[in-house]
Amino acid sequence: AQKVTQAQTEISVVEKEDVTLDCVYETRDTTYYLFWYKQPPSGELVFLIRRNSFDEQNEISGRYSWNFQKSTSSFNFTITASQVVDSAVYFCALSVPSGSARQLTFGSGTQLTVLP
Amino acid sequence: EPEVTQTPSHQVTQMGQEVILRCVPISNHLYFYWYRQILGQKVEFLVSFYNNEISEKSEIFDDQFSVERPDGSNFTLKIRSTKLEDSAMYFCASSLGLAGAVSYEQYFGPGTRLTVT
Repeated sequence: AQKVTQAQTEISVVEKEDVTLDCVYETRDTTYYLFWYKQPPSGELVFLIRRNSFDEQNEISGRYSWNFQKSTSSFNFTITASQVVDSAVYFCALSVPSGSARQLTFGSGTQLTVLP
Repeated sequence: EPEVTQTPSHQVTQMGQEVILRCVPISNHLYFYWYRQILGQKVEFLVSFYNNEISEKSEIFDDQFSVERPDGSNFTLKIRSTKLEDSAMYFCASSLGLAGAVSYEQYFGPGTRLTVT
């Protein structure tokens, strides 16, 4: 079975601070996919990034960066110079290619509040 | 940019009534999903659908639930006899379904908030 843990339930930062959201996952599969989704106050789920288990190269996209460490089963997400519009719940999720299932297993989410 | 759409955005129903939640997945996607999110909680998988049949379902998806793809565009979730605990946000999602990592990216609709009174 798959499991995703987001230990931080709430984080509050002041605008322009950097913030890192933690994600730890569990799976016995050697091939898997990790995701981050953003859920703003309006409620929709916005896809941010996918990483494959066989690609540990970390990525930077604008103010966002991701740190994938297989050795510690972690897939952390950093926002640099946070802005008020970054305030949202951020979900880490995991998918494994077992048969035709492909469903996402979500963590419990981290509520990020960026204060002006 | 193509997107998943869902109707209605909010549905209020009385306990014991049947509801149908509707979704239009992205047109070239082959995998379809329903998830639910009880207020303040994590997003939970309900069911996945591929090649006109259910490919996987969770324990939540009991006999009260059913899914259907009645035509080439719509994907529906039916709850036969709603209970108070069915109150949640229901998200539809779709993914490409081709080989390769990109096919695992799921794109979500805006959700339908179901309130059972």
